[in-house]
Amino acid sequence: EPEVTQTPSHQVTQMGQEVILRCVPISNHLYFYWYRQILGQKVEFLVSFYNNEISEKSEIFDDQFSVERPDGSNFTLKIRSTKLEDSAMYFCASKGGSTNQPQHFGDGTRLSIL
Amino acid sequence: AQKVTQAQTEISVVEKEDVTLDCVYETRDTTYYLFWYKQPPSGELVFLIRRNSFDEQNEISGRYSWNFQKSTSSFNFTITASQVVDSAVYFCALSEAWRGSNYKLTFGKGTLLTVNP
Repeated sequence: EPEVTQTPSHQVTQMGQEVILRCVPISNHLYFYWYRQILGQKVEFLVSFYNNEISEKSEIFDDQFSVERPDGSNFTLKIRSTKLEDSAMYFCASKGGSTNQPQHFGDGTRLSIL
Repeated sequence: AQKVTQAQTEISVVEKEDVTLDCVYETRDTTYYLFWYKQPPSGELVFLIRRNSFDEQNEISGRYSWNFQKSTSSFNFTITASQVVDSAVYFCALSEAWRGSNYKLTFGKGTLLTVNP
């Protein structure tokens, strides 16, 4: 069964550094998402991407964040200047074009900011 | 705005007991989906079930069953004869389902289920 894959599984970065989290969605999917889960808390929506542009973003997704789908297969989340509070698990998800298709999640990238 | 409430923060049971995880949701949409996800200690999100707002039939899958009641905006999840491997955090989630929506998921805070041997 096709899967959403995320790399790396764990990223450790110094505060203030840029970080890029990578995701390969399922190949024929049309909707792409990033979610965040701070340790011990709920999963929160960050951003959705459709038709090569951001379709919706949450209040969390400020100017430090950006997303790209550079080559039709990868879907990346960039944090320009990381803060301690960016430490979290980041999940990528993708979804097919039909209304009744569910989102498929990757296994997540654990981001630790030192 | 959409909201999902899982009032039970933690539940602890002994193996073979039945356990019900509660989920109450709020939405203005008439068409929506409800989900349950399992998050084991390894951290990944495991999809368990999706339910369309038009379909109020209860569902059973092995030891798992789901009770969707639109009248009370609830989508409860029951594990029968719980096992140690069921220990995890369980999230209830809600998404828009109308054409043109983003289908983003709104999650509850999760319920930590511990099944003791």
